[in-house]
Amino acid sequence: NAGVTQTPKFRILKIGQSMTLQCTQDMNHNYMYWYRQDPGMGLKLIYYSVGAGITDKGEVPNGYNVSRSTTEDFPLRLELAAPSQTSVYFCASSAGVYNEQFFGPGTRLTVL
Amino acid sequence: AQSVTQPDIHITVSEGASLELRCNYSYGATPYLFWYVQSPGQGLQLLLKYFSGDTLVQGIKGFEAEFKRSQSSFNLRKPSVHWSDAAEYFCAVGASGGSYIPTFGRGTSLIVHP
Repeated sequence: NAGVTQTPKFRILKIGQSMTLQCTQDMNHNYMYWYRQDPGMGLKLIYYSVGAGITDKGEVPNGYNVSRSTTEDFPLRLELAAPSQTSVYFCASSAGVYNEQFFGPGTRLTVL
Repeated sequence: AQSVTQPDIHITVSEGASLELRCNYSYGATPYLFWYVQSPGQGLQLLLKYFSGDTLVQGIKGFEAEFKRSQSSFNLRKPSVHWSDAAEYFCAVGASGGSYIPTFGRGTSLIVHP
């Protein structure tokens, strides 16, 4: 049981490049979340999903897109990378709206 | 709207000393409450949670937290801190009122002096 896995662990992008951050969970959780974490700023929700085919915006969705074609996977897409997207990105999943979240190890992204 | 406040950005304690991290929430009904820990370079890990029942809950790594409805607080405690407890600690309130989104505090960074 691997829990929540994220790839890659680290990535450097140039301004304007695109990339997809991968997130997979093997706990059959319906709820999945993407957060970004900047120093001293806590967690900010980017997008979330309550089940396959259902996604919605969080607090800071601009510049990102998501899809949820399966229960297991919840990829985050950056279309035109900007320096403001330099951050650590965490994916999380949960069995239900009242349950605790399980977090992945994070992806550290730098945009230069 | 619900909110979570962690009033201390940093807390410094000596190894072996007791610890209390504060968490205050704003919520209309009985909340679902969580404490998470984030070690350097890692994701968040659940320490403990409160849903109902006994207001003193025990968690992993020797931590406990007490739910006080009258004070809207859910403070985290540990009687004797170890150097390995140095980390970021986040308090969170579960989703409510038709929302699917939990609310996190901004975190408290714990520094442990030898």
